[in-house]
Amino acid sequence: DAMVIQNPRYQVTQFGKPVTLSCSQTLNHNVMYWYQQKSSQAPKLLFHYYDKDFNNEADTPDNFQSRRPNTSFCFLDIRSPGLGDAAMYLCATSTGNGGYTFGSGTRLTVV
Amino acid sequence: AQSVTQPDIHITVSEGASLELRCNYSYGATPYLFWYVQSPGQGLQLLLKYFSGDTLVQGIKGFEAEFKRSQSSFNLRKPSVHWSDAAEYFCAVGAGSGYSTLTFGKGTMLLVSP
Repeated sequence: DAMVIQNPRYQVTQFGKPVTLSCSQTLNHNVMYWYQQKSSQAPKLLFHYYDKDFNNEADTPDNFQSRRPNTSFCFLDIRSPGLGDAAMYLCATSTGNGGYTFGSGTRLTVV
Repeated sequence: AQSVTQPDIHITVSEGASLELRCNYSYGATPYLFWYVQSPGQGLQLLLKYFSGDTLVQGIKGFEAEFKRSQSSFNLRKPSVHWSDAAEYFCAVGAGSGYSTLTFGKGTMLLVSP
């Protein structure tokens, strides 16, 4: 029944070592989002895809990249993680009519 | 630009008592409004949403919310809180048409006392 799946649930990476987080969906939704949520803060949008059309938020650091090879999958790449990048990363999908579905998130720890 | 204000960072309610969490939004057109709940270390679960129509919206787990356009508010209510309701609650706003991004408030942490 899982509809938006994020792997892994917990990720530990070394300072400066590239890391990739993955998200897959079984809903065939055309919009996918990546949010960053730091401790005790609101989720903050990093970027989103409408189909293959990539939309980057103006304040998303260049250190963060994303790929969407097909409708079902979306990846978040952090090229050189810093201690400040430790957060919960949430993937979400939308049909475009206002219905959003969130995954369970990946908690990233940087050591 | 759209924005959401949740004025209460923490709220403590006795089990069995009623609950109201406040949410005010800023958006230039008809908004989509949402309430999500998040338990520690978990993702976001949708409680309810308002798109149009009846301004009193029923959600899961006995929650309801009322959209008041004149006050730009979308407050969440529950008549009787259970200990399992302790969690963080986020109000969010999105565009009223087409695909859009969600903007979240900073959240309200609900604590339930025995």
